[in-house]
Amino acid sequence: EVQLVESGGGLVQPGRSLRLSCAASGFTFDDYAMHWVRQAPGKGLEWVSGISWNSGSIGYADSVKGRFTISRDNAKNSLYLQMNSLRAEDTALYYCAKGGLGFGDPFDYWGQGTLVTVSS
Amino acid sequence: DIQMTQSPSSLSASVGDRVTITCRASQGISNYLAWYQQKPGKVPKLLIYAASTLQSGVPSRFSGSGSGTDFTLTISSLQPEDVATYYCQKYNSAPFTFGPGTKVDIK
Repeated sequence: EVQLVESGGGLVQPGRSLRLSCAASGFTFDDYAMHWVRQAPGKGLEWVSGISWNSGSIGYADSVKGRFTISRDNAKNSLYLQMNSLRAEDTALYYCAKGGLGFGDPFDYWGQGTLVTVSS
Repeated sequence: DIQMTQSPSSLSASVGDRVTITCRASQGISNYLAWYQQKPGKVPKLLIYAASTLQSGVPSRFSGSGSGTDFTLTISSLQPEDVATYYCQKYNSAPFTFGPGTKVDIK
């Protein structure tokens, strides 16, 4: 059974940093692209960032480019999102999602999410 | 970047009704289009990919069509458990943009 478990969320002041983690199990992690998707309270889904199986392809939404960094550790079956210079508008539930064998594939499994609140 | 739009933003229909949601890409994306269902308080679920391929386990009352810039999601006979917000998403290349969503309710 595929499981994705996010952690690392919390309350943080504007301008500070936070690192999210996603622990994956139930599939061959290093075969698949992985993504972060966020959802602000009461709002729609926003793709944040994605990374291919070997980290050879990486992408970011314009809203986070230059502030967020995605990475993965295939030996630990883990995905990360380093979030710097956080803003109030980054407040959201952050989902880890499993992509496909290619970077351009849909997201077939999602974690339960970790909540990030940016506020003073 | 390619923008994704959806219409309507919300709809209310009766049980058994045929429901159609439209998604439009600002540029052609071939068939690199997915549909997701998000029930209230739940995690998004992949319904359809490659514009018209049903994900395993998804009821056959759901179907998708389209190519290029115009796509549709159809629920042939709306059921109470279909109350949800539906999102389209382009995935041909980054950014993997989602549409704004269509909220479906029972009348």
